[in-house]
Amino acid sequence: GAVVSQHPSRVICKSGTSVKIECRSLDFQATTMFWYRQFPKQSLMLMATSNEGSKATYEQGVEKDKFLINHASLTLSTLTVTSAHPEDSSFYICSAKTAGTSGSVDTQYFGPGTRLTVL
Amino acid sequence: QKEVEQNSGPLSVPEGAIASLNCTYSDRGSQSFFWYRQYSGKSPELIMSIYSNGDKEDGRFTAQLNKASQYVSLLIRDSQPSDSATYLCAVMPQAAGNKLTFGGGTRVLVKP
Repeated sequence: GAVVSQHPSRVICKSGTSVKIECRSLDFQATTMFWYRQFPKQSLMLMATSNEGSKATYEQGVEKDKFLINHASLTLSTLTVTSAHPEDSSFYICSAKTAGTSGSVDTQYFGPGTRLTVL
Repeated sequence: QKEVEQNSGPLSVPEGAIASLNCTYSDRGSQSFFWYRQYSGKSPELIMSIYSNGDKEDGRFTAQLNKASQYVSLLIRDSQPSDSATYLCAVMPQAAGNKLTFGGGTRVLVKP
């Protein structure tokens, strides 16, 4: 099956610092990756769609200058939370989309997530 | 009306029984449907994908799709305590640009 990794799995930082999260597709190329955020006991919230070689598309209400996304290669997308504040503390999860072949559909596989705590 | 609706549960089933989860969606043009399992504190894990009307079986899991009625269901046979998790229904609407729309999830508790 398709494997997606994320690094780091957990990060604690001081308010005002920036944090970079990496998302990698390990055994397939992903032209499209997605970044989600999930607060405790809530559903996934899509933050942005990351396309290789182009600017990310952000969902309404997500600040693009605060959540910088770079999709530099077909296997790597990064999310940088700039000037993090306690309200940014959350579980950040990426997913990578496989390209559906004949008889199958495009499918998103999720990374293990990064738990961010901002003090 | 939410685009993808699920009963939040918890759905409590005894070990060995069948757990039946339902999901309805609003976009009639949706073509791809997915079930993900999410354990507490973990990220979602793909269980099944389905895109044709009818049943699709994979081990103890069966996904059922009825596009005319706009619902998709998941059956878990011989439920085990390890199946206790939140199950997310996800739909790819017709004009979504590959984005998935998730339901709120159904929490399943399998009691030994």
